[in-house]
Amino acid sequence: QKEVEQDPGPLSVPEGAIVSLNCTYSNSAFQYFMWYRQYSRKGPELLMYTYSSGNKEDGRFTAQVDKSSKYISLFIRDSQPSDSATYLCAMTHVGAGNMLTFGGGTRLMVKP
Amino acid sequence: DADVTQTPRNRITKTGKRIMLECSQTKGHDRMYWYRQDPGLGLRLIYYSFDVKDINKGEISDGYSVSRQAQAKFSLSLESAIPNQTALYFCATSEAGFSSQETQYFGPGTRLLVL
Repeated sequence: QKEVEQDPGPLSVPEGAIVSLNCTYSNSAFQYFMWYRQYSRKGPELLMYTYSSGNKEDGRFTAQVDKSSKYISLFIRDSQPSDSATYLCAMTHVGAGNMLTFGGGTRLMVKP
Repeated sequence: DADVTQTPRNRITKTGKRIMLECSQTKGHDRMYWYRQDPGLGLRLIYYSFDVKDINKGEISDGYSVSRQAQAKFSLSLESAIPNQTALYFCATSEAGFSSQETQYFGPGTRLLVL
């Protein structure tokens, strides 16, 4: 079983929809949780970063962490065609240094 | 100009050939990483280097080697390429130490096809 699980999609939604992307993990040591966005033929770029449990909001994006359930989510409000990309969750802990463990990525398509 | 560059961007090679992928960065970061990406498997770490004299194996290092020529340069070699090394390869960098804003910066990737 992989340490971090993520539904590969593709997830197709109409423009303006609320999107929910999720990851589950098995290692309770993870403390830092990230969401990367990867456009086609590009490298991943950091989108959101959260520490421990709780919510963090940045514009249309909200990252949510539930450590008790080992479950993290990324919500996108008022989704736009430009949000079409693959979203990768990643996580780490102090003992792992800078080593990130990635989920497999979810491909999102927002249709006009 | 891009902070993390990779060359070549695309490469087709034959089984058994030696191939080198190169990465350069202008971010001034000490730490550099090589990942491969396969559909549905996310990013898997091949090798990482915390400074010029410190190189470590990652999750899937078999069949690969690396060279850290300078703080800004980190190369990945496939000594004898095989078809299951066909993948998208990414270089990444990060600052030293463990800060509260942990992130890695990725290059644009090299698409490798081994026939």
